[in-house]
Amino acid sequence: NAGVTQTPKFQVLKTGQSMTLQCAQDMNHEYMSWYRQDPGMGLRLIHYSVGAGITDQGEVPNGYNVSRSTTEDFPLRLLSAAPSQTSVYFCASSSTPQGMISGANVLTFGAGSRLTVL
Amino acid sequence: SQQGEEDPQALSIQEGENATMNCSYKTSINNLQWYRQNSGRGLVHLILIRSNEREKHSGRLRVTLDTSKKSSSLLITASRAADTASYFCGLGTSYGKLTFGQGTILTVHP
Repeated sequence: NAGVTQTPKFQVLKTGQSMTLQCAQDMNHEYMSWYRQDPGMGLRLIHYSVGAGITDQGEVPNGYNVSRSTTEDFPLRLLSAAPSQTSVYFCASSSTPQGMISGANVLTFGAGSRLTVL
Repeated sequence: SQQGEEDPQALSIQEGENATMNCSYKTSINNLQWYRQNSGRGLVHLILIRSNEREKHSGRLRVTLDTSKKSSSLLITASRAADTASYFCGLGTSYGKLTFGQGTILTVHP
């Protein structure tokens, strides 16, 4: 059971380049999300999805796009990378018991993707 | 949106001592969770407490929640060197969204 798999683990980009961080889970989890982690800032929610075809913005969505065409995959796209997007990115998923309103999400995290934008 | 604020930012203790970390928040929550992060790794879930609960235990972990004060504490008893990590509180709201604070860095000296 692989859990949450993120690729690549490391990436260096130049300003203005585009790229996609991949996230895949094999636990049939409905809920998936992306966080970025910066020193002194903790983890901040970028985007999240409550199921295939449904996405929503988190705390810091600007500069990032997401889509959810399948239950398993939730890619994060940087259309024009900026140095401010240098960070460690984490994907996390969960199975939401009895719907979203009363359920408590216990997240399973991937190992992270370290991105440097020069 | 709100984030939890962990206190202290860093904590250094000797093996065998207890470690207490606190989390404060500003608006209503559905549940509060504590996670652990070892250096260079993803977060790992430790314990969840719902808004209608006041205390929960799991092994050497004890979590309390005071919704009137909008605060929670995580107590790790009889700390071990292997407990050295960063600890984060996650604030759970409706629709499953979970937001985190800056975390507490715990160092347990052998």
